[in-house]
Amino acid sequence: SQTIHQWPATLVQPVGSPLSLECTVEGTSNPNLYWYRQAAGRGLQLLFYSVGIGQISSEVPQNLSASRPQDRQFILSSKKLLLSDSGFYLCAWRTRLSGNTIYFGEGSWLTVV
Amino acid sequence: SQQGEEDPQALSIQEGENATMNCSYKTSINNLQWYRQNSGRGLVHLILIRSNEREKHSGRLRVTLDTSKKSSSLLITASRAADTASYFCATFGGTSYGKLTFGQGTILTVHP
Repeated sequence: SQTIHQWPATLVQPVGSPLSLECTVEGTSNPNLYWYRQAAGRGLQLLFYSVGIGQISSEVPQNLSASRPQDRQFILSSKKLLLSDSGFYLCAWRTRLSGNTIYFGEGSWLTVV
Repeated sequence: SQQGEEDPQALSIQEGENATMNCSYKTSINNLQWYRQNSGRGLVHLILIRSNEREKHSGRLRVTLDTSKKSSSLLITASRAADTASYFCATFGGTSYGKLTFGQGTILTVHP
C-alpha cells in the first residue's frame, strides 16, 4: 500500500533562517506531488506541484521554493524565512490509479519567530 | 478567488443528531470531493461525487451535488463525538496535473 511521510512534524525557526521540509511517498511510482499551506486551520492553498523529477510549477509567488530530486521525494525550501511563512504545510500525492483523489501526509507545523 | 465555500463556518450539535454542511463553487467541475481533517492532522478523503451524479452514499455519509446551482451538501447521520473535525469540499477542474481547489471548511463539533 502507498504511504506518505513528511518531516519534521513541528519546527520553530527564527526569521531569516533557512527551511527544508521533506516528503517521500512509498508504494507507488511517478506520482504527482503537491505542497499545500494551511493558515489558521482554514482552507488550503496550493503552493507547488510536480508531475515528474525536476518538474516544478508554482501556483503563487512567495518566499518558498520546491524541488523534486527523486521520483518520490518532494522538498519545500526557503533561504530566508519570513514571519508570514508560519503555517501548517501539507504534502500530498496522486497517481492515475488514484484517479482524482489526492492523499495527504500528516503535515508539518512551522512557526517563524 | 476561492472555488469552494463551505457553509456554515462552524456547526455545533449533540451526538445522535444529523450534521449538514454545504459547499458552493464557481466554475465547471469534473467532480467534487469532501475531505475531513482532525485538529492538527492531515486531510483524509471521504467521498467523491462526479459531475454526472446527483447523490452518493458511504456509510453514514450522504453527499448531494446540484451542478445547476453549483452546490453540494454533506450529511452525516447519527453523528458521534469522533466526527468532530473540520470538513472541506474540494473541486477538481480536470487539469492534467490534478489540481484540487479547497474551500475554507466547516468546523464540526459533536458534543457527547
